[in-house]
Amino acid sequence: DAKTTQPPSMDCAEGRAANLPCNHSTISGNEYVYWYRQIHSQGPQYIIHGLKNNETNEMASLIITEDRKSSTLILPHATLRDTAVYYCIVREVQKLVFGQGTRLTINP
Amino acid sequence: DAGITQSPRHKVTETGTPVTLRCHQTENHRYMYWYRQDPGHGLRLIHYSYGVKDTDKGEVSDGYSVSRSKTEDFLLTLESATSSQTSVYFCAIRPSGQHYGYTFGSGTRLTVV
Repeated sequence: DAKTTQPPSMDCAEGRAANLPCNHSTISGNEYVYWYRQIHSQGPQYIIHGLKNNETNEMASLIITEDRKSSTLILPHATLRDTAVYYCIVREVQKLVFGQGTRLTINP
Repeated sequence: DAGITQSPRHKVTETGTPVTLRCHQTENHRYMYWYRQDPGHGLRLIHYSYGVKDTDKGEVSDGYSVSRSKTEDFLLTLESATSSQTSVYFCAIRPSGQHYGYTFGSGTRLTVV
């Protein structure tokens, strides 16, 4: 599975858009980009995934660059409950391998 | 999370004793996974199952065994618990088809003293 690089921490003001970057320069053609988050000590929660096209669901938007070497997760109107560790993962095979993620803190 | 439960939620055990953690699902999903989470290491895959009686090792499988005798249950066994196995253990499930998200359980906090 391709390796990902994320900033260790980020801050965002409540009500603003939170933009979380992820680099995956070694991604292969069949690998999808997945985003999960983990709030405090809970189990990770699936957010969104994509291959080439931008994706949007009720939680977030995923923007993937044309060369697929990086992506951005966008939380359009961040709330205090979005404070969590966010993981960007790329995978092709059956296993999901987590990195260290980005600790996002939403400030009032 | 709905459809997946882990038991027990908390356990304290002594070094050298056997311990079994249970993951139960009501979703009839094919794939089940066991992860452990430790400070500084994030989530690491221990074992996973791709069907009844079909299991494979993850990146940190030493000291652990698993069994899946029916679709709904995936058991993780520490044959002889050690202090290094003190951790939070998460189970996850996923349906067939490569590109579905995983659903994680609430975790089991295991302390080996």
